[in-house]
Amino acid sequence: GNSVTQMEGPVTLSEEAFLTINCTYTATGYPSLFWYVQYPGEGLQLLLKATKADDKGSNKGFEATYRKETTSFHLEKGSVQVSDSAVYFCALRQIGNTPLVFGKGTRLSVIA
Amino acid sequence: GAVVSQHPSWVICKSGTSVKIECRSLDFQATTMFWYRQFPKQSLMLMATSNEGSKATYEQGVEKDKFLINHASLTLSTLTVTSAHPEDSSFYICSARSVDEQYFGPGTRLTVT
Repeated sequence: GNSVTQMEGPVTLSEEAFLTINCTYTATGYPSLFWYVQYPGEGLQLLLKATKADDKGSNKGFEATYRKETTSFHLEKGSVQVSDSAVYFCALRQIGNTPLVFGKGTRLSVIA
Repeated sequence: GAVVSQHPSWVICKSGTSVKIECRSLDFQATTMFWYRQFPKQSLMLMATSNEGSKATYEQGVEKDKFLINHASLTLSTLTVTSAHPEDSSFYICSARSVDEQYFGPGTRLTVT
């Protein structure tokens, strides 16, 4: 079946530090890959996505590259801010009207 | 972007009672909505897929008679937790599908005492 594994948190970083949150997946075929972010007290928001191998998704300084050879979609940001503190979820979706499959989420805390 | 609302945002109920949670797509029509359950420090677990005008499809292990889902219109789906017990306490999140994107509601915190 389809599954997503992401690094366990919590992750605590100082402001302006480099962020990497690892995500690997297991799936048949060529799923689309996503990163969602959940700020405190809010619903999940799409952060970025990639729909095919070697695609790079980017938004708000975050990036992730769809690596089919390593079945990975690691999230990176060069310089985190306190406002980036949230829970980040990696997810995949197969082609068609299928639901998202989520990883367990990684809580990020950025301190000033 | 598209907005999905949930009501109520939190609810406390007594064991044995039923609770209804509403999920609305505010500015788009959603033929498909999903209901998730999120446990503390864990991922979102898909409970069921709801298609407008037809019966919901439940994931394995989810009791359909306990978690009643109704997708009465293209903008409204409801989840009713029947005969709630303390173990049903959780964070319930709905999601609505628009074209090729899934939008999420803010969630409903249910506490059963």
